[in-house]
Amino acid sequence: QVQLQQSGAELAKPGTSVKLSCKASGYTFTSYYIYWVKQRPGQGLEWIGYIYPGNGGTYYSEKFKGKATFTADTSSSTAYMLLGSLTPEDSAYYFCARSRYFDYWGQGVMVTVSS
Amino acid sequence: DVVMTQTPPSLSVAIGQSVSISCKSSQSLVHSDGKTYLNWLLQNPGQSPKRLIYQVSNLGSGVPDRFSGTGSEKDFTLKISRVEAEDLGVYHCVQATHVPLTFGSGTKLEIK
Repeated sequence: QVQLQQSGAELAKPGTSVKLSCKASGYTFTSYYIYWVKQRPGQGLEWIGYIYPGNGGTYYSEKFKGKATFTADTSSSTAYMLLGSLTPEDSAYYFCARSRYFDYWGQGVMVTVSS
Repeated sequence: DVVMTQTPPSLSVAIGQSVSISCKSSQSLVHSDGKTYLNWLLQNPGQSPKRLIYQVSNLGSGVPDRFSGTGSEKDFTLKISRVEAEDLGVYHCVQATHVPLTFGSGTKLEIK
């Protein structure tokens, strides 16, 4: 069965970076886009962008350019999102999801930015 | 960016009632390929979202047929017939026709 397994919660200091992972299983990793979504506690969903593991192509929402960097390791079927220059406004849940149809989601990972 | 206006922000319904949620977009969601990429998601409390409906009216795998989606162009509706306790949570619409993708602000469904 299709699964997206995300890495564990992160506690980071302002100005540092965190690298989140999303390990895919149960389907051909290189055939589907991976989308990343942000949700601040009690708030709505915000689209960060996507990576297509088939060719490494990426797209970033304007707001997240320079903040997020997507990569993918096809040997381990894992997508990554590096969040840099962290500020308290980056404290949120981050989800990965498969494709524009959002048919499968990771369980989410909480990132807390605090000194 | 496409603005998705979702209403109402909250609903309180009794088990067995039917409800509708509206999502209106600031631009047509018909893609150049002819498809309309409008999805509906449900986020149960403390959970990640799960997909209910894709391309306006297609029921996701395993989703009960109490859920249905209708609409076209800029005006979309999710209907839940015979609400059950497991339906509580926040409903989100999301357009995937235009980049950046954008979400509605959510509708919180509570059970009376």
